[in-house]
Amino acid sequence: AQKITQTQPGMFVQEKEAVTLDCTYDTSDQSYGLFWYKQPSSGEMIFLIYQGSYDEQNATEGRYSLNFQKARKSANLVISASQLGDSAMYFCAMRVRGTGNQFYFGTGTSLTVIP
Amino acid sequence: DAGVIQSPRHEVTEMGQEVTLRCKPISGHDYLFWYRQTMMRGLELLIYFNNNVPIDDSGMPEDRFSAKMPNASFSTLKIQPSEPRDSAVYFCASSLNWGTQYFGPGTRLLVL
Repeated sequence: AQKITQTQPGMFVQEKEAVTLDCTYDTSDQSYGLFWYKQPSSGEMIFLIYQGSYDEQNATEGRYSLNFQKARKSANLVISASQLGDSAMYFCAMRVRGTGNQFYFGTGTSLTVIP
Repeated sequence: DAGVIQSPRHEVTEMGQEVTLRCKPISGHDYLFWYRQTMMRGLELLIYFNNNVPIDDSGMPEDRFSAKMPNASFSTLKIQPSEPRDSAVYFCASSLNWGTQYFGPGTRLLVL
């Protein structure tokens, strides 16, 4: 069975500090993609970053980077220089090619940036 | 380039009424997904289409829910009859092949 686990229901970080949001995944498939989405209080789901299972380098998008450790099956999101606008729910998701391209979402982590 | 468009953005209805949610995916995307999000159950996949064909509807809660995709640029999710427990945010998302899913703004449904 495919599964995404986010063990941190809530996180706090001081403004301008870096924060890591944890995500572990479980799949026996070799071909998969890992995604992070941000959901602010306004409700929209915003795509942040993507990592393919065959990508050798960690993905980066501006202040976001994905710490991909394939052997540990982890795909942690690192946000550098936190801003107040980063306060939101963050969802980790996995797409597995062998399952008809279905997405599996984690339960999310609520991040609060403290001024 | 327009993103995924959903309408209405908010819907308030009474129990027993029919509710129709609409979605226009990003042009050229071949996958379309319907999700429901609640505090209790999180984000749930209801159904998804590939090239307008329903692939997996195992997440549809019951026969009161139905979804159609008559063409590549339009999909509907219908609830008939609606019940208070259907109150949730309903998201539509689309993707090109097995790439990133892009979400619409969601429809906030309240069934009284």
